[in-house]
Amino acid sequence: DQQVKQNSPSLSVQEGRISILNCDYTNSMFDYFLWYKKYPAEGPTFLISISSIKDKNEDGRFTVFLNKSAKHLSLHIVPSQPGDSAVYFCAALRRTSYDKVIFGPGTSLSVIP
Amino acid sequence: DAGVIQSPRHEVTEMGQEVTLRCKPISGHNSLFWYRQTMMRGLELLIYFNNNVPIDDSGMPEDRFSAKMPNASFSTLKIQPSEPRDSAVYFCASSRGRVNTEAFFGQGTRLTVV
Repeated sequence: DQQVKQNSPSLSVQEGRISILNCDYTNSMFDYFLWYKKYPAEGPTFLISISSIKDKNEDGRFTVFLNKSAKHLSLHIVPSQPGDSAVYFCAALRRTSYDKVIFGPGTSLSVIP
Repeated sequence: DAGVIQSPRHEVTEMGQEVTLRCKPISGHNSLFWYRQTMMRGLELLIYFNNNVPIDDSGMPEDRFSAKMPNASFSTLKIQPSEPRDSAVYFCASSRGRVNTEAFFGQGTRLTVV
């Protein structure tokens, strides 16, 4: 049973436009969410996170939105750049319970110049 | 800091052979994680250690897999005997504290069992 879902395996966006990557989760006990970015032949790198007490967190071109009632979060990249082309993993955990991180299957983003 | 260092980067072995993957976490990080990435299952947590002690090994697929952390700067993941279905990329990650927020990943070991 997948607790963290990323239903779009891939996404293509034109350079300069907005990229929106979506993530859904099933466990209402999750209280902390993260996005990781992965380039080919490299390990994932942490991108941005959000606590369940917030509904938005912004870091430069990257913004994560959390809708707890819908158990949904999204990562917005504005404006998208070719260097953003990578696989993006959504992850979730129950930080208050020292629980393990559950990763989604990833979405491959291609930003077309 | 050099980051999390994994070796080897690539490993090709025959079915039935023992495989040992190695990891050096970032100095000062007291949590270490082993993940496996496959097309079918994405990133799966196999085991994690806190202060060199295994905390959760429920992700270890079967008894053929074992992991050790003899000290704060070194961990191994061993598969014995290896099988073709073990072929995957294995990542090691480390973080400060017990909870895996903002973990730093190594570059991974691509294992191919033929």
